[in-house]
Amino acid sequence: SQTIHQWPATLVQPVGSPLSLECTVEGTSNPNLYWYRQAAGRGLQLLFYSIGIDQISSEVPQNLSASRPQDRQFILSSKKLLLSDSGFYLCAFNRGGTGELFFGEGSRLTVL
Amino acid sequence: AQSVTQPDIHITVSEGASLELRCNYSYGATPYLFWYVQSPGQGLQLLLKYFSGDTLVQGIKGFEAEFKRSQSSFNLRKPSVHWSDAAEYFCAVEGRGSTLGRLYFGRGTQLTVWP
Repeated sequence: SQTIHQWPATLVQPVGSPLSLECTVEGTSNPNLYWYRQAAGRGLQLLFYSIGIDQISSEVPQNLSASRPQDRQFILSSKKLLLSDSGFYLCAFNRGGTGELFFGEGSRLTVL
Repeated sequence: AQSVTQPDIHITVSEGASLELRCNYSYGATPYLFWYVQSPGQGLQLLLKYFSGDTLVQGIKGFEAEFKRSQSSFNLRKPSVHWSDAAEYFCAVEGRGSTLGRLYFGRGTQLTVWP
């Protein structure tokens, strides 16, 4: 069966520190991968979208970057965190052009 | 570009009462439409989806939604709410063409259920 894992589940980081959130998918190949951020009262914002290795689209300009070094691995990074980067980050995948998104359990980032 | 509006930030209903959560979308053609539910601190789970055909779609947990092209709406309904339905609900739209595969979500509606 298809599964998705992301970690860490919770992270508290000081302003200016780096960030790395990881997401891996199992049980499928060549998935479309997504990073969303959920801020309080603002719904889910699509951050990055990837259709293949090293093929990543950024939806909004920001302090974050994404990489896909392997087919089923998606990494969200920052060199220097800002307070505004705090939020709940969700990794998701689907296969093909349309259809259901499968979400990870999320990573809660607090920047102090 | 496509977008989704959920006009109700928070809704409170009594257990056993009927429920309707509103969703309006903006898109030049008929999009793919979804409703997801999120329990606190968790990821999202798909409730139902509309791609084409019958405009009334049935989902899990007794939910249904109706696509109305004339109103650009995709409202979620349940005839009798259970306390376990308390959660946050998100409507999402997936465009076709160049944005195929990307889902855009509304801001969510928080549902509280009174016993």
